[in-house]
Amino acid sequence: EIVLTQSPDFQSVTPKEKVTITCRASQSIGSSLHWYQQKPDQSPKLLIKFASQSFSGVPSRFSGSGSGTDFTLTINSLEAEDAAMYYCHQSSSLPTFGQGTKVEIK
Amino acid sequence: QVQLQESGPGLVKPSETLSLTCTVSGGSISSYFWSWIRQPPGKGLEWIGYIYYSGTTNYNPSLKSRVTISVDTSKNQFSLKLSSVTAADTAVYYCAKGGGNPFEDWGQGTLVTVSS
Repeated sequence: EIVLTQSPDFQSVTPKEKVTITCRASQSIGSSLHWYQQKPDQSPKLLIKFASQSFSGVPSRFSGSGSGTDFTLTINSLEAEDAAMYYCHQSSSLPTFGQGTKVEIK
Repeated sequence: QVQLQESGPGLVKPSETLSLTCTVSGGSISSYFWSWIRQPPGKGLEWIGYIYYSGTTNYNPSLKSRVTISVDTSKNQFSLKLSSVTAADTAVYYCAKGGGNPFEDWGQGTLVTVSS
């Protein structure tokens, strides 16, 4: 099983600030890494697929980078509506998720 | 973009079998992978398993002995059965489009509580 470890677990950020969340895989997964946003009482929504491809309809302030074992989700100029849990997911082998990162607005 | 809707009992007794169905609308179930994913209250996401429209399946090794996923292409539905449930199986269960690729579309989720 490929283990995904996200950091940090929690981040408190002021609006317009830049947010960076990392996801490290226990072995190389190429670019088979995807990012989701989950707001309270909602299902997760795909933000970024295959490490850096923006999913349809996702605001341009969300971007992804990385390959191999280290990946990053960046939110440029955070907005209040971006308060949520963020999860990474790998599809290189049987699917696994990171433990999640909670982003709170100060 | 397709719409997915989970349905099934919200309460299951310990040791019994949890059964859920996902109905896909706005597109055909054919030619894609379809997954079940769960989320215990206040916790993270756990992939349960996926099925290809042809019937090929793959399961999370930690649940494999208790899980069966099936598909009914005539009804545009796929289903989950999880046997011998315990309180640890209490979770929101999601169906999603995807398997060995990103989960592009998700259902709204359904809470299943295991309790006597």
